Amino acid sequence: DSGVTQTPKHLITATGQRVTLRCSPRSGDLSVYWYQQSLDQGLQFLIQYYNGEERAKGNILERFSAQQFPDLHSELNLSSLELGDSALYFCASSVGPVGSGELFFGEGSRLTVL
Amino acid sequence: GESVGLHLPTLSVQEGDNSIINCAYSNSASDYFIWYKQESGKGPQFIIDIRSNMDKRQGQRVTVLLNKTVKHLSLQIAATQPGDSAVYFCAVQGGKLIFGQGTELSVKP
Repeated sequence: DSGVTQTPKHLITATGQRVTLRCSPRSGDLSVYWYQQSLDQGLQFLIQYYNGEERAKGNILERFSAQQFPDLHSELNLSSLELGDSALYFCASSVGPVGSGELFFGEGSRLTVL
Repeated sequence: GESVGLHLPTLSVQEGDNSIINCAYSNSASDYFIWYKQESGKGPQFIIDIRSNMDKRQGQRVTVLLNKTVKHLSLQIAATQPGDSAVYFCAVQGGKLIFGQGTELSVKP
């Protein structure tokens, strides 16, 4: 158990809908990262927050947004969903900014868009 | 931007043999490198890391080698066991932590 909690574990929805994925980092970790894992794409970095502020941005679509709240939990919002958004979405956390230590990953949220 | 590639998408080894998984990166300013292991249905799990001021680091049955001249990283697993079967990712940091595509390691008993 990494200490990172993601909900929901599984989510099935229809195209055009909006979903919110939630992540609670390990106790004491200030950074939260979101990654998307599709079958053929490996782990794609989406976005990172550090202590409530956006720290780094990857290939995150405009239809996607995220935030980190004062209690350090984070939410990833996916809107106007398309079939191609079906993937595993991982949240990870670390103590400090990137480079200051390993990332601890949650078990992922599997999104299926029908 | 940074790109990270692996040489082989799959690797099959005999139990007890040594495994070598390779990774190449593009950004010479990258300063931190990590190997992760992902078992089926789970999130990636940290194996070992290395900073750019080192060229070798050893853990328990694992060794990471870094060649900054050719921007190459490798993970060596000694005496590979069935429990080592998983997908292995290298991750490279040069501002953001970017993952390679992964190598699926299969261990034959």
